[in-house]
Amino acid sequence: DAGVTQSPTHLIKTRGQQVTLRCSPKSGHDTVSWYQQALGQGPQFIFQYYEEEERQRGNFPDRFSGHQFPNYSSELNVNALLLGDSALYLCASSFSPLPGELFFGEGSRLTVL
Amino acid sequence: AQSVTQLDSQVPVFEEAPVELRCNYSSSVSVYLFWYVQYPNQGLQLLLKYLSGSTLVESINGFEAEFNKSQTSFHLRKPSVHISDTAEYFCAVSRGSSNTGKLIFGQGTTLQVKP
Repeated sequence: DAGVTQSPTHLIKTRGQQVTLRCSPKSGHDTVSWYQQALGQGPQFIFQYYEEEERQRGNFPDRFSGHQFPNYSSELNVNALLLGDSALYLCASSFSPLPGELFFGEGSRLTVL
Repeated sequence: AQSVTQLDSQVPVFEEAPVELRCNYSSSVSVYLFWYVQYPNQGLQLLLKYLSGSTLVESINGFEAEFNKSQTSFHLRKPSVHISDTAEYFCAVSRGSSNTGKLIFGQGTTLQVKP
């Protein structure tokens, strides 16, 4: 049973560019959440998708957007990249009725130069 | 608003010694509490959770945590650590009575187990 898979694992962008990160949830999961983990910090909640809609959002600007597809996979898009967007982006999936049972992928490490 | 404070950024300990990683939270509503572990170059893994019921919860690899409502704490303990326990540990809280995937994480505690 495949767990949460994310792609790409590493990528380098320059300021002002746009990036798309992808996530496939664990089999049987219907909810995807995205987190940003800066170096030496705990993960910070970006947003959550359920039934192809954004259900909750953390304190991130509109440059951060996402999408969930009918097969429950998800994308995170970041526009107009800033140096401060350099971080590990984690995708977590869950089965909606279960509180807090998040399964995390290994993350996509984004470096903005 | 909810917040989590992990009181120690690094905890060095010798193998087979006991360890406690401290976590305090603040919330005006009921909460669910979690400990996640992150091994080098890996994603986060759920170690244990408190949702309701017994305030003492245990993991399969010997860790335990106790929910203390009066002290708003959820400290993680292990009576005897192994080298393989070296990792980053994150305490997290979510709003109780909710299926939300929105977890508030602490800053993390690096557990360094020395031989």
